Amino acid sequence: AQRVTQPEKLLSVFKGAPVELKCNYSYSGSPELFWYVQYSRQRLQLLLRHISRESIKGFTADLNKGETSFHLKKPFAQEEDSAMYYCALKRGAQKLVFGQGTRLTINP
Amino acid sequence: ETGVTQSPTHLIKTRGQQVTLRCSSQSGHNTVSWYQQALGQGPQFIFQYYREEENGRGNFPPRFSGLQFPNYSSELNVNALELDDSALYLCASSLDLTVFYGYTFGSGTRLTVV
Repeated sequence: AQRVTQPEKLLSVFKGAPVELKCNYSYSGSPELFWYVQYSRQRLQLLLRHISRESIKGFTADLNKGETSFHLKKPFAQEEDSAMYYCALKRGAQKLVFGQGTRLTINP
Repeated sequence: ETGVTQSPTHLIKTRGQQVTLRCSSQSGHNTVSWYQQALGQGPQFIFQYYREEENGRGNFPPRFSGLQFPNYSSELNVNALELDDSALYLCASSLDLTVFYGYTFGSGTRLTVV
């Protein structure tokens, strides 16, 4: 079954430190993965897609098919990065399977 | 250009009752999906509509049903409400079934069943 696992429910780092939010998936085909972010009192919004290989707000994520991972990374955390982050796997025509989410807190 | 709007924002219902949640898609989007997000969990796919037809369904019982209208707005109906139906219901629209750059989500409707 297709599944997305985010092993850390909570992650706390200091401002300026590197950040890595882990995401592992199980999928037999060619995966299409996304990271969504939800800032406090805002709606869920797309952060980045692995297909576009972009960097948004300093975040990057590389698909590692060997390790079935799609970890989200940022070299230097900023306080405004504090939010809830969800990794999602596209299954079929536009159905997304979401992980449980990781709450990231950046300490000043 | 407007985003996805959902109504109402909050709702309290009694077990056994029926509820209708509404969603207006982002302008230009013709595909709408509904998700249920229980407390502390990620969103879970309920179903998707494209051109007024259901186009995929998750593991939800038939008492969860939906509609999409010609203007691409949508409704989620839940009959015979159960306590476990208490959750945040998210509507998400996307440009077209053939092209997927990701969803635009609404703010959600928080349903409490007592």
